[in-house]
Amino acid sequence: ETGVTQTPRHLVMGMTNKKSLKCEQHLGHNAMYWYKQSAKKPLELMFVYNFKEQTENNSVPSRFSPECPNSSHLFLHLHTLQPEDSALYLCASSQEGRENAEAFFGQGTRLTVV
Amino acid sequence: AQSVTQLDSHVSVSEGTPVLLRCNYSSSYSPSLFWYVQHPNKGLQLLLKYTSAATLVKGINGFEAEFKKSETSFHLTKPSAHMSDAAEYFCVVSGFGNEKLTFGTGTRLTIIP
Repeated sequence: ETGVTQTPRHLVMGMTNKKSLKCEQHLGHNAMYWYKQSAKKPLELMFVYNFKEQTENNSVPSRFSPECPNSSHLFLHLHTLQPEDSALYLCASSQEGRENAEAFFGQGTRLTVV
Repeated sequence: AQSVTQLDSHVSVSEGTPVLLRCNYSSSYSPSLFWYVQHPNKGLQLLLKYTSAATLVKGINGFEAEFKKSETSFHLTKPSAHMSDAAEYFCVVSGFGNEKLTFGTGTRLTIIP
């Protein structure tokens, strides 16, 4: 248990569905991240939130919509996804501003779009 | 700008033999370097990190890594592989703070019984 909890662990959704991924961190960190991990591709940073403010959006399609209501919770809202969006979505947190601070990862949500 | 290159996408070793996973980095700053491990269908777990206090870094599960500035390398080693070490390993570099964590493409380690 790393202190970062993601739900659900597995999700199957149709292309017309709307669903949300949830991430919660119990570490008192001030930065949270969404990553996408696809087969045979490097880990892709999607979004970064520092102190609840989005500081990075790596050209992610608008069908992915993040929400960070407070520094402990992060959501990823999904709508009208494509089959190529099937992947493992990882949430992470860290203490931004502290030198050499590592990121702590959740277990991930395995998303399948049918 | 920073980058990290993991030189082997797949490494196979026999149980009980040494493990070497290679990583080279490029960074404009004095870098922070990390190794993470990912077991199947799991998140990433920190193995060890380089913080400039010592060039030889010891991590969990018997792993260690040596920071060599002259070679811009941060290779991961273990004297004796165990079956439970079979996993994907990621070398990561960052500048100040964690805004720009840059991941390598990963090395899949297979342990032969």
